[in-house]
Amino acid sequence: AQKVTQAQTEISVVEKEDVTLDCVYETRDTTYYLFWYKQPPSGELVFLIRRNSFDEQNEISGRYSWNFQKSTSSFNFTITASQVVDSAVYFCALRTSEYGNKLVFGAGTILRVKS
Amino acid sequence: DTGVSQDPRHKITKRGQNVTFRCDPISEHNRLYWYRQTLGQGPEFLTYFQNEAQLEKSRLLSDRFSAERPKGSFSTLEIQRTEQGDSAMYLCASSLALGAVDTQYFGPGTRLTVL
Repeated sequence: AQKVTQAQTEISVVEKEDVTLDCVYETRDTTYYLFWYKQPPSGELVFLIRRNSFDEQNEISGRYSWNFQKSTSSFNFTITASQVVDSAVYFCALRTSEYGNKLVFGAGTILRVKS
Repeated sequence: DTGVSQDPRHKITKRGQNVTFRCDPISEHNRLYWYRQTLGQGPEFLTYFQNEAQLEKSRLLSDRFSAERPKGSFSTLEIQRTEQGDSAMYLCASSLALGAVDTQYFGPGTRLTVL
């Protein structure tokens, strides 16, 4: 079975604080892909990043960075110097060859950034 | 670049009525997906099309649900004899599948409320 767990239901930070959103996944496949999406209050899921299981290099994009660790089955997301506009629900998702093209999402983490 | 669009954005209906939602994917995207999202949860896969062929359906898609993509462009999702449990956000996503994995881009969703 494949499963994504986002244990943090809600996180509140003050602007300019760094924040890390946790994502733990389960799969028996050796080939899989991990995604992060942002869902602002408008409701549209915005794609942030895709990572395949063979590439454990961490990635940085501006204030965003991702830490992929196969040993702990985690794909965590860090926002540096958070801003109010970062307030949203963030979803981690998994796609495996066993389960075809569908994405399996975690329950999401609500991030509230206060000014 | 026009993103995925969905219509209507909101729909309120009475139990037992039929409803139909439309999704227009990003131009030239060959895959189209439907997901359902309930409050506080991540999206759950319903079905997907590659061009006009419906390739996979979730067991969540009861016989009251039907989806079509007649010409491989826009898609419709119909729910017959709606029930209160159908109240949710219905999300559409599209992708361009060229290699081993595609990235799904989501529309703003249609929020259905069944009274």
